[in-house]
Amino acid sequence: DTGVSQDPRHKITKRGQNVTFRCDPISEHNRLYWYRQTLGQGPEFLTYFQNEAQLEKSRLLSDRFSAERPKGSFSTLEIQRTEQGDSAMYLCASSLSRVLVGGRSYEQYFGPGTRLTVT
Amino acid sequence: SQQGEEDPQALSIQEGENATMNCSYKTSINNLQWYRQNSGRGLVHLILIRSNEREKHSGRLRVTLDTSKKSSSLLITASRAADTASYFCATDAIQGAQKLVFGQGTRLTINP
Repeated sequence: DTGVSQDPRHKITKRGQNVTFRCDPISEHNRLYWYRQTLGQGPEFLTYFQNEAQLEKSRLLSDRFSAERPKGSFSTLEIQRTEQGDSAMYLCASSLSRVLVGGRSYEQYFGPGTRLTVT
Repeated sequence: SQQGEEDPQALSIQEGENATMNCSYKTSINNLQWYRQNSGRGLVHLILIRSNEREKHSGRLRVTLDTSKKSSSLLITASRAADTASYFCATDAIQGAQKLVFGQGTRLTINP
């Protein structure tokens, strides 16, 4: 257990439905990330937050995807009008940004993921 | 898009043997991290090596980094059945990004 939790762990939905996932990071971590992982591939970056500000979004994040992090604590990722291609594992990670002599250094700690299946 | 490649894509060895996995990447980096993922689960952070470091140890793990060749290796010594998992390297590029870019991973199987 890394201290990052995600809910739900599994979600099966029909094409066209909306789904929302939640991530609770490690409490003192100021950065939160969302990644998507398809079978046999490494995770791919979707978006990240520094406190409550969303600072970067991947081109993978189409208009149907939206993420929020109100008050800089937990985060939600919503997918509207789901498509079969959205089926994947959605991973959340958190980190504490710290600056060391010679550059930045941080580890990202991942949650267990939410596996989405769109039928 | 994936940052680089891991080699081999799959590795099967006997318990007690050493396992070596390699990772190559494309851009200049701040850090390189190795993660383990058991089937269908989240990623577990193993070790981080900074761009100004060449070698790092943690228990049975040894990581090397060669920034001139843009490559890293992960050595697991005295392997155990519980080490069976997928192993990913992930890089943090210098240019403007806080995200991790992962390779496709090495699937390691330890045979009892």
